[in-house]
Amino acid sequence: DTEVTQTPKHLVMGMTNKKSLKCEQHMGHRAMYWYKQKAKKPPELMFVYSYEKLSINESVPSRFSPECPNSSLLNLHLHALQPEDSALYLCASGLSPLHFGNGTRLTVT
Amino acid sequence: AQSVAQPEDQVNVAEGNPLTVKCTYSVSGNPYLFWYVQYPNRGLQFLLKYITGDNLVKGSYGFEAEFNKSQTSFHLKKPSALVSDSALYFCAVRGVYGNNRLAFGKGNQVVVIP
Repeated sequence: DTEVTQTPKHLVMGMTNKKSLKCEQHMGHRAMYWYKQKAKKPPELMFVYSYEKLSINESVPSRFSPECPNSSLLNLHLHALQPEDSALYLCASGLSPLHFGNGTRLTVT
Repeated sequence: AQSVAQPEDQVNVAEGNPLTVKCTYSVSGNPYLFWYVQYPNRGLQFLLKYITGDNLVKGSYGFEAEFNKSQTSFHLKKPSALVSDSALYFCAVRGVYGNNRLAFGKGNQVVVIP
C-alpha cells in the first residue's frame, strides 16, 4: 500500500464542471508534487510545492489550480477542462526518492 | 539539462531467465539515479536508487542496478525473472545541484513469458 493517498480514484467530469483532486501524506515530507501521466508514457511534472509554497509551475494552463493547505495536504482544482486533459494524475512527496500515490484516473467528457 | 534514455520499448524475457532493462543518463555534476516500476492502474513504485557509494545497488523484489560513471549508465537487473515482474519500468535522474525536477526515461514495458 502506498503512503501517499489520493482521492478520488476515478473521476468523470464534463467540460463545464469544477472538481478537485486531493492528496495526503503523513511522512513529514516538505515537498509535494502533481504529475500528469498519459497511458504508457512517463509522468510529466505539473507543479511542485516546497514548504507549502509553490516553487515550480511547468507552464500549466490556468484551468488547473494547485493548493497546499498544509504540509500534509495537496489539492488540484479543476475547471473548464478539455478532453485532452483526460489522464492519470499522480501526487508525489519527498525528494530522493519520490513517493507516489496511486493516482486519480480523470476522464473529461 | 538532465535527461534519460531507455533505448528499448519492450523487453521480453522467459520466466527464470535474467532480466536487464537499460538506462543511460545525462546530467551536470553527480547524478541521483532511480528506478521505478508501475503496474496497471497504479502509481509509480520506488525500486532502488544510487546517490553515492557502492556502484552496485540492491533494491526491492530482488532487483539490483549497477552505476557506471564512464558509460553514464544505470542498468536494472534481476537474476531470475518472474511473471509478476511484468510491468512498466522507468529510469529517472536528478542532478545533485538541481531543483526538484526529476527527468524520467520513456519507460520500458517488461513482459515475462511463462
